[in-house]
Amino acid sequence: DSGVTQTPKHLITATGQRVTLRCSPRSGDLSVYWYQQSLDQGLQFLIQYYNGEERAKGNILERFSAQQFPDLHSELNLSSLELGDSALYFCASSVDPVYNEQFFGPGTRLTVL
Amino acid sequence: DQQVKQNSPSLSVQEGRISILNCDYTNSMFDYFLWYKKYPAEGPTFLISISSIKDKNEDGRFTVFLNKSAKHLSLHIVPSQPGDSAVYFCAAKRGYNAGNMLTFGGGTRLMVKP
Repeated sequence: DSGVTQTPKHLITATGQRVTLRCSPRSGDLSVYWYQQSLDQGLQFLIQYYNGEERAKGNILERFSAQQFPDLHSELNLSSLELGDSALYFCASSVDPVYNEQFFGPGTRLTVL
Repeated sequence: DQQVKQNSPSLSVQEGRISILNCDYTNSMFDYFLWYKKYPAEGPTFLISISSIKDKNEDGRFTVFLNKSAKHLSLHIVPSQPGDSAVYFCAAKRGYNAGNMLTFGGGTRLMVKP
């Protein structure tokens, strides 16, 4: 158990819908990362937050947005969902924004029908 | 453009023998490399890392080798155990100002046979 929690574990929805994925980092970790793992793209970095502020952005679609709240939990919002958004979404956390070891949560499996 | 590649999608070894997993990268700005292990229905778990100023790092049964000139790294597991059966990802990051984003390879599925 990494100490990173993600909810829900599974999510099934329809095209065009909007969903919110939630992540609670390990106790004491200030930085949160979101990754997407799809069958054809592997594990891809989406976005990083540190202490509430956006720190780095990867290949995140404009339909996706994220935020980190004062209690340090983070939410990833996915809107206008398409079939291709079906993937595993992982959250990771680390102590600070450049500390190299990231601890990953168990992931949320999103299925878009 | 895949900046980190793991060319072997799978590897099968006998228990007690050495497992060698390989990873190649193209971006010369990468300065820190990590290996993660992933079991089904779980998130990746950090295994071992190496800075670009080193060419070898050991932790118990796991050793990572880095060849900067060849832009190649490898993970050696000796001796291999059935519990090591998992998907292994190599990852790389570049520089302080780039944040802590990791670029992952596609993974290698290791099967250790008893």
